[in-house]
Amino acid sequence: EAQVTQNPRYLITVTGKKLTVTCSQNMNHEYMSWYRQDPGLGLRQIYYSMNVEVTDKGDVPEGYKVSRKEKRNFPLILESPSPNQTSLYFCASSLDRGDNSPLHFGNGTRLTVT
Amino acid sequence: AQSVAQPEDQVNVAEGNPLTVKCTYSVSGNPYLFWYVQYPNRGLQFLLKYITGDNLVKGSYGFEAEFNKSQTSFHLKKPSALVSDSALYFCAVRGLGGNKLTFGTGTQLKVEL
Repeated sequence: EAQVTQNPRYLITVTGKKLTVTCSQNMNHEYMSWYRQDPGLGLRQIYYSMNVEVTDKGDVPEGYKVSRKEKRNFPLILESPSPNQTSLYFCASSLDRGDNSPLHFGNGTRLTVT
Repeated sequence: AQSVAQPEDQVNVAEGNPLTVKCTYSVSGNPYLFWYVQYPNRGLQFLLKYITGDNLVKGSYGFEAEFNKSQTSFHLKKPSALVSDSALYFCAVRGLGGNKLTFGTGTQLKVEL
C-alpha cells in the first residue's frame, strides 16, 4: 500500500531533550515536507526537500533540523525542544515539487513538550 | 506573499442539503489551488485541484469546486451533504513555479441529521 509513515504517533518529552520524528514514504516521491498544525493557524511548513541532499526552510524552521540522505526518508529533528513546539506534526510527500502533484500525508505525530 | 483565507471556522448543514465551504486566495500570477480533507486522528487527504482549464473542478466523494479568477475564490461545494462528510477542510494555494504550498486555517464542516 502506498503510504507515508510517521513514528511515533504520540510523544511526550521534556524541555531540552533531543528527539527525532521519523518519516518514510514508499512511493518513490522526490518531494517531501514537514508541517505543523496548530489551532487557528492551519498548517505551516517547517522544512521541505526537493530531492536527496536538497533541503530548504519553510515558514517556521526555527528550532528544527531535517536531513534527506535517502529518497524515502525525511526525519525531523528537534535538538532542544521547547514548550512552544508542542504541536501536531505532519510529514507529506509528492511525486515532484507539487505543481500538479497532490501531497500525500502521514497520520501525524502529536508532540507534547513539558 | 501568497495567502489563503477561509472565513468560516465552522459550517453547519443538514444532511441532504447543499454545502459550500468558502476559500479566497492571494498569489502572484496564476494559481494552483487545492482542497484537502482531514478526518479525526488522520492526515490530510487530497480532494481536488485546479490547475488550468474548466473553472468547475470535480473531485472525490462527490465534491466539486468553482474557480473564480475575478473574485480570487475557490469555494468547495457538494449538492447533497452526508453525515460522513463531517470533517476539517483545508484550502491551499501555490503560485506558478513556486515551491511553497500555503494552507488556510481550515473550516470544520458539521453535517447533522
